[in-house]
Amino acid sequence: DVKVTQSSRYLVKRTGEKVFLECVQDMDHENMFWYRQDPGLGLRLIYFSYDVKMKEKGDIPEGYSVSREKKERFSLILESASTNQTSMYLCASRYGAYVGTEAFFGQGTRLTVV
Amino acid sequence: GNSVTQMEGPVTLSEEAFLTINCTYTATGYPSLFWYVQYPGEGLQLLLKATKADDKGSNKGFEATYRKETTSFHLEKGSVQVSDSAVYFCALSDSRSGANNLFFGTGTRLTVIP
Repeated sequence: DVKVTQSSRYLVKRTGEKVFLECVQDMDHENMFWYRQDPGLGLRLIYFSYDVKMKEKGDIPEGYSVSREKKERFSLILESASTNQTSMYLCASRYGAYVGTEAFFGQGTRLTVV
Repeated sequence: GNSVTQMEGPVTLSEEAFLTINCTYTATGYPSLFWYVQYPGEGLQLLLKATKADDKGSNKGFEATYRKETTSFHLEKGSVQVSDSAVYFCALSDSRSGANNLFFGTGTRLTVIP
């Protein structure tokens, strides 16, 4: 079974802190994604990566950066956390370039910024 | 561009009732279509998919048919159970910048009461 593991289920951070969210997948997938989930807004793409050290902005990249130094790991970084970044963060991975492949999701990290 | 419009929730049904959750899409090419389900406290998991027009995806009693002429992918189940209570997301996939991105609807929360 494919497994996508996010490092924390729940996080509480203070405004202005630098926050790291880690995601690891064990199926050698090329593509990895970070989404943000908010009520009434569905899932919005923050960043994605289609190879090691390759990254592209999604729909809402402001205030975030990412790192992909190894194929299995994709990190989301909040440079200076703000209260409007309180949300559920979901990591996903997906195989190859075929549009019909399934994406596998981690269990989510619920981040609260106080 | 690409987008997914999904029936607003929440939806509350009695056990054994018929379920329909509407989903329509806009796409620039020939997308694949998906339904994902999120059970309480968990990440998303694939429920079913269809990769070309007139394909029917099915799983766990749920069905959806890829209708290119109406750009729709409505989710149906003939008899819902309490265990089907979850949030359902319609999604489409296309290729962008070397990676396959998924575009999600806003999600529909289903509650099934005994």
